[in-house]
Amino acid sequence: AQTVTQSQPEMSVQEAETVTLSCTYDTSESDYYLFWYKQPPSRQMILVIRQEAYKQQNATENRFSVNFQKAAKSFSLKISDSQLGDAAMYFCAYRSAFETSGSRLTFGEGTQLTVNP
Amino acid sequence: GAVVSQHPSRVICKSGTSVKIECRSLDFQATTMFWYRQFPKQSLMLMATSNEGSKATYEQGVEKDKFLINHASLTLSTLTVTSAHPEDSSFYICSAEETVNTEAFFGQGTRLTVV
Repeated sequence: AQTVTQSQPEMSVQEAETVTLSCTYDTSESDYYLFWYKQPPSRQMILVIRQEAYKQQNATENRFSVNFQKAAKSFSLKISDSQLGDAAMYFCAYRSAFETSGSRLTFGEGTQLTVNP
Repeated sequence: GAVVSQHPSRVICKSGTSVKIECRSLDFQATTMFWYRQFPKQSLMLMATSNEGSKATYEQGVEKDKFLINHASLTLSTLTVTSAHPEDSSFYICSAEETVNTEAFFGQGTRLTVV
């Protein structure tokens, strides 16, 4: 079974600064997808960024980028120019590319990000 | 992105009663829906996978007789918590996808309180 670990329960960053959230995972599969989701106080899950394991290039979405290290099974999220609206719980998630029963996601424990003005 | 609507957003029920939570895909047909449970300040734990027209697949440790899931149409899945007890109080979230291995979209969640 796959596992996802987020070792930082809480992180804080100053507005306009950069912060990196860590995520490691364990799998024996060669092809899979990795995601970062944001859960603000409203509890609505919002997809921040996704990475296909077969792609060597790190995914980027505006101020959000990832550092995907497949051999190390590491998938960190970098938030640049942090904004107050970035404050939320962030979850790293794994999904097998071989899953035949849909997008079954395995989530990490989450990292609560605080953005200080 | 696609919209998934979950209803109700909050519900309070008495111990021993049943409560139904609906998950609807508003602008797409969902072949698969997922039900998660989330305790305060914790992660999402998958409870079951729901495929339209077939029985749900429950994760290990989830009581299928307590958490009844029905996926009767391509746009609606329901989770019924039967004979609810205070320990069933939690935040329940559904997600839905249009076809296998496409992006999953999440509902806004339901906070269930059993008193």
